This record gives sequence, structure tokens and C-alpha cells, in this order.
Amino acid sequence: GDSVTQMEGPVTLSEEAFLTINCTYTATGYPSLFWYVQYPGEGLQLLLKATKADDKGSNKGFEATYRKETTSFHLEKGSVQVSDSAVYFCALSVPTSGTYKYIFGTGTRLKVLA
Amino acid sequence: SAVISQKPSRDICQRGTSLTIQCQVDSQVTMMFWYRQQPGQSLTLIATANQGSEATYESGFVIDKFPISRPNLTFSTLTVSNMSPEDSSIYLCSVERDRVGGGFFGPGTRLTVL
Repeated sequence: GDSVTQMEGPVTLSEEAFLTINCTYTATGYPSLFWYVQYPGEGLQLLLKATKADDKGSNKGFEATYRKETTSFHLEKGSVQVSDSAVYFCALSVPTSGTYKYIFGTGTRLKVLA
Repeated sequence: SAVISQKPSRDICQRGTSLTIQCQVDSQVTMMFWYRQQPGQSLTLIATANQGSEATYESGFVIDKFPISRPNLTFSTLTVSNMSPEDSSIYLCSVERDRVGGGFFGPGTRLTVL
């Protein structure tokens, strides 16, 4: 079945370090791919998305490219800040009952130290 | 965008009791989704609720345990019945952003069962 696999955390980085969080997926067809972020004590927010192969989603300095050949959607940021400390979820959408549902990875906790 | 509110935001309940969680959206939506996020884990879809029809449950979730109501296009409830400590989770309501745009999520209801 459809699934998402994320690198396990926690990931601890110093401020201004480069971030990569790996995400690979298994799906039939051509799903849309998403990264969500959950800041401490807050709800889930959509960070970025890509709807087809080779699309690059970007937001707030974060980027991820939809790689169909490697079934991957790795999240990157060139210089992380303390405020980026959060849990990051990779997800894909699959059709269901005339709409789409979302399958999430296990989440990766990022901690950025000043 | 959609603004989603949930009530209660948190609750502590006794084993064997039931809790009803409310989800209110500030605009009319066709589909609403209920997810569970167990401690330290990812989000798992419980069911999809379409107004005017019975909810569609994912594998491992049954209507007797998680009855859902969807009386109109802006409101839904999820009841967690006959609770046990294993039901301690965050329960999130979600609506679809658009066909491939990812979902909006409510702030969640943090449930602790003693």
C-alpha cells in the first residue's frame, strides 16, 4: 500500500547549519507530496508542496524537489534558525471516495541550537 | 484559507467513559477528516466524513468506537467511546484545501485517559 518513510530524529543542528530531512514514498499513480510543520504547542501547518515530478516546492527558505525516479521528496534548508525547531512531517495524497486523503510519515523532530 | 476550531482543546477522562470532540470550520466544505496522533507518532486517518452520508472508516477503526456526525457543511463531531488509556492521543480535524493543495488542520484535542 501507499506509505511514507522519513528519517528518524531527533536532528540537532547549530544555527546557520544546512538541513536535510530525507523522505521517500511508495504509491501507485502520481501522488502530490507535502511537507507539514508542527511548532511546539501549535497545530499542523502546510510548509510546502509539489504536485508532479521535478516540481520544486519552497517556502520560508525550505525547499523540496519531487523526484519520481528515486521516489523521494527530501526537505532542505541552507541555513537553519532557532525558530525552525519543530517536528516536520512528509506526506502524500491518495484518492479516496471522490476526494483525497493524506498519508503521513512518522515525523522528524528538529532542534536548532543558538 | 479555512479556519478550523476544535472543542475541547484538551481533556482528561476516566476509563470507560466517552468524549465528543467538536470541529467547526469557517466555510462550507464537502469533506472533513478525523486524524489521530498518538504520543510521539505520526498522524493516522480515522475516517472521512461527508455531509449527508455515513462516514467512511479506515482499516482498524470502527463506527462503534468512533461514531462521527456531520450534520451540515461546517460542522462535525467525533466521539471516542468506552475509552481506555490506549486512546490517549491528539485528535485532529482536517478539511481539504483543494484537489492537490494539502489540507487545513485544526489545533487538535489532546485527550488523556486515566
